[in-house]
Amino acid sequence: ELKVEQNPLFLSMQEGKNYTIYCNYSTTSDRLYWYRQDPGKSLESLFVLLSNGAVKQEGRLMASLDTKARLSTLHITAAVHDLSATYFCAVDMRETSGSRLTFGEGTQLTVNP
Amino acid sequence: EPEVTQTPSHQVTQMGQEVILRCVPISNHLYFYWYRQILGQKVEFLVSFYNNEISEKSEIFDDQFSVERPDGSNFTLKIRSTKLEDSAMYFCASYREYGANEQFFGPGTRLTVL
Repeated sequence: ELKVEQNPLFLSMQEGKNYTIYCNYSTTSDRLYWYRQDPGKSLESLFVLLSNGAVKQEGRLMASLDTKARLSTLHITAAVHDLSATYFCAVDMRETSGSRLTFGEGTQLTVNP
Repeated sequence: EPEVTQTPSHQVTQMGQEVILRCVPISNHLYFYWYRQILGQKVEFLVSFYNNEISEKSEIFDDQFSVERPDGSNFTLKIRSTKLEDSAMYFCASYREYGANEQFFGPGTRLTVL
C-alpha cells in the first residue's frame, strides 16, 4: 500500500524566513503534485512534477522531485502572510492504480507578521 | 477557463437519509473521481470512473455508496443511508485523458450528517 508522509504537519514561521516542507512516499512513482488548500476551500494545483530531478518555481515557492529517494520538497522563500494555508503533496500511481491520487496528511502553514 | 462544478455547496441531512452529490466534470474529460476529506484530515480517494463503469474503489467505498453518470454530463455520488461519520467535504475531480498531467478538482460539497 502506498504511503505518503509529509513533515512537518504544522509550521509556524515569521515573514521573510525560508523553510522547506518534505514529502516522502513509499513506492515508485514518477508523478507528484503539490496542492494548496485554504480553509473550507478546494484544492488549488501548485505544481506537477513529472520526472526525476524536476524543479519548478512559482513566486516564493519552489518544488523538486527526487524519485530515487522518493522525496519531494516544497521550499518557501521569504514567506509572506498570504502563503498561510495547508499544503498537500499527492502521488499518482497511474501504472498500477488508474491515476488515483494518494495524498499526504498536509502541512498547515501559518506565516506570522 | 473550463472548470469542474459541484452542487450543492453544502448539504445537511439526517442520519439514515439518502443524499446525492452532483458534479459536472470538464466537458472533454473522460476519467472521473470522487474524494472525501473529513474536517482537519487528509484527502482520501473514494472511487474512479471511466467508460461508464467503476475502474477502482477504495475500502471506504462500501455498499452504501454508488456512482453514476446518468446523462453524459453529470457525475453523481449517492450515499444510501448516511451515517454521522460520512460528514466530510466531498470533491469531484476529472482527467482529460490517460496520461494527462493534471487532475482538476471541483469546489467541493460539504456534507453534514446530524
